[in-house]
Amino acid sequence: GQNIDQPTEMTATEGAIVQINCTYQTSGFNGLFWYQQHAGEAPTFLSYNVLDGLEEKGRFSSFLSRSKGYSYLLLKELQMKDSASYLCAVRYGGATNKLIFGTGTLLAVQP
Amino acid sequence: DSGVTQTPKHLITATGQRVTLRCSPRSGDLSVYWYQQSLDQGLQFLIQYYNGEERAKGNILERFSAQQFPDLHSELNLSSLELGDSALYFCASSVGKEYNEQFFGPGTRLTVL
Repeated sequence: GQNIDQPTEMTATEGAIVQINCTYQTSGFNGLFWYQQHAGEAPTFLSYNVLDGLEEKGRFSSFLSRSKGYSYLLLKELQMKDSASYLCAVRYGGATNKLIFGTGTLLAVQP
Repeated sequence: DSGVTQTPKHLITATGQRVTLRCSPRSGDLSVYWYQQSLDQGLQFLIQYYNGEERAKGNILERFSAQQFPDLHSELNLSSLELGDSALYFCASSVGKEYNEQFFGPGTRLTVL
């Protein structure tokens, strides 16, 4: 079956760097998304990786290795407002174009 | 504000009932997606419509159905409701058909008593 694994919780310090990992096992991989979700709010799009490598967008970067079924989200210069849940999601199934989400990593940024 | 609107914001109903959730996508977006988020199951993709036609199907129960109308708004119909259907239902939209960058609405919180 299809599966995504992420750590449940992480803690980091304001101003530091944190890496949130995501491993997946799916058939017909089509791309990987990262979303940020604050408690009680809707998810917001952070990044989309289709090819191997690093995509940088401001303080956020996302890396993908398709051969290893692995991705990470890197957050630099952490701010208190970065405390949120980070969801990894994978498009799979080739032409059937399905989407599966991980359960999310709850990041707590401490002063 | 993502530009995606959902109504109602909250809905409380009883088991066995039927409800309709409504979503209006961002102007110019042709795809609409529906998601269910519950505490024990996380965010689950239900279904995608693109320009009025069903494009992809996820873990949507047979008791649930959706459609996208010519003006591109979408409705999610939930029938024979059970306690376990209590969840936050999100709608998202994107320009193209391939998920791309999705913009989520604020959600409808459904409580089944």
